[in-house]
Amino acid sequence: DVKVTQSSRYLVKRTGEKVFLECVQDMDHENMFWYRQDPGLGLRLIYFSYDVKMKEKGDIPEGYSVSREKKERFSLILESASTNQTSMYLCASAFDRVAYEQYFGPGTRLTVT
Amino acid sequence: AQSVTQLDSQVPVFEEAPVELRCNYSSSVSVYLFWYVQYPNQGLQLLLKYLSGSTLVKGINGFEAEFNKSQTSFHLRKPSVHISDTAEYFCAVRGKTSYGKLTFGQGTILTVHP
Repeated sequence: DVKVTQSSRYLVKRTGEKVFLECVQDMDHENMFWYRQDPGLGLRLIYFSYDVKMKEKGDIPEGYSVSREKKERFSLILESASTNQTSMYLCASAFDRVAYEQYFGPGTRLTVT
Repeated sequence: AQSVTQLDSQVPVFEEAPVELRCNYSSSVSVYLFWYVQYPNQGLQLLLKYLSGSTLVKGINGFEAEFNKSQTSFHLRKPSVHISDTAEYFCAVRGKTSYGKLTFGQGTILTVHP
């Protein structure tokens, strides 16, 4: 079974803090994704990566950056957290760019106060 | 670019009743279509997908969906729901040239009452 894990289920940070969200997959997948999920808006793609050290902006990259130094790990960084970044963050992975199925982690609920 | 509209934000039904969750999409290119389910406090998992061929697609847990190209729809159905089907359901689309990039709908919360 593919396993995608996220470092925290719940996280509370203060405005202005630098926040790291970590995601690890154990199936040697090339593609990894970061989404945020908000009620009534569904999932929106923040960034994705199709190879180590490669990244592409999704639909809402502003205020976020990412890092992929190893194939199995994809980090989402909030350089200076703001209250409008309070959300559920979901990581996903897929075998390659043609793959039809994305495997999701359990999510990190981030609250910025 | 693609977009997805899920026409109902919440659908309440009684156990053993049939259910249909509606999804319409917009795209300038040919697409692949997906339904994902999210149970409380969990990530998303794939229910079913349409890639090509037969327009009626069967998925896990007794769900099925029908691709209608002329109406640009991909509605999800189940003939008899269970309490355990209570979850949020997401329709998603991917352009055939948009490698790996999914666009999701807003989600439909299905609540099954006893």
